[in-house]
Amino acid sequence: QKEVEQNSGPLSVPEGAIASLNCTYSDRGSQSFFWYRQYSGKSPELIMFIYSNGDKEDGRFTAQLNKASQYVSLLIRDSQPSDSATYLCAVNGFTGGGNKLTFGTGTQLKVEL
Amino acid sequence: DTEVTQTPKHLVMGMTNKKSLKCEQHMGHRAMYWYKQKAKKPPELMFVYSYEKLSINESVPSRFSPECPNSSLLNLHLHALQPEDSALYLCASSQAAAGPGGDEQYFGPGTRLTVT
Repeated sequence: QKEVEQNSGPLSVPEGAIASLNCTYSDRGSQSFFWYRQYSGKSPELIMFIYSNGDKEDGRFTAQLNKASQYVSLLIRDSQPSDSATYLCAVNGFTGGGNKLTFGTGTQLKVEL
Repeated sequence: DTEVTQTPKHLVMGMTNKKSLKCEQHMGHRAMYWYKQKAKKPPELMFVYSYEKLSINESVPSRFSPECPNSSLLNLHLHALQPEDSALYLCASSQAAAGPGGDEQYFGPGTRLTVT
């Protein structure tokens, strides 16, 4: 059973701070990693994807991948109240039938004024 | 443009009704997906279509019947549902990549389904 694990939170950070969200996965053969943001009652929104070891930056977001440790993280710099949401880590397992995303249970982030 | 549209936004149906959910994308993606999401849980994959052919069925009960009329459209036909089927139903699409790069999935806004 392929697993993706995240702390459920809530993770509380003050406005302007760096929020650090972490995710581990069990399938060592995984090659594609995604972070989705989901506001309450809304659908998941893709905010970052990463395929290679190292860091990938996009605006205030940085995704970090360490395949040896089977670890993915998301850093949010200068956190804003609008960043308060659930962040879902997802890992793609390629099968003969197509792409299958395995999601973690999500980390709830609260950015406090 | 990474837009996936879904209709209706909300649906209330009785256990004897037949209804359909619709999904559309115009990104040229050749893989489309149906997910079910219950409150405070991650999305659960139901079906995958790749090049308009059903490629993955995650042992979904037959009261859910998917259909892919063309590369832009995806339907989910519902019949004789149970109250526990009440959930947010999400459609997603991606390129039909079989490796990293192009396999990122974009979700529609979802249909909130209530079965009474």
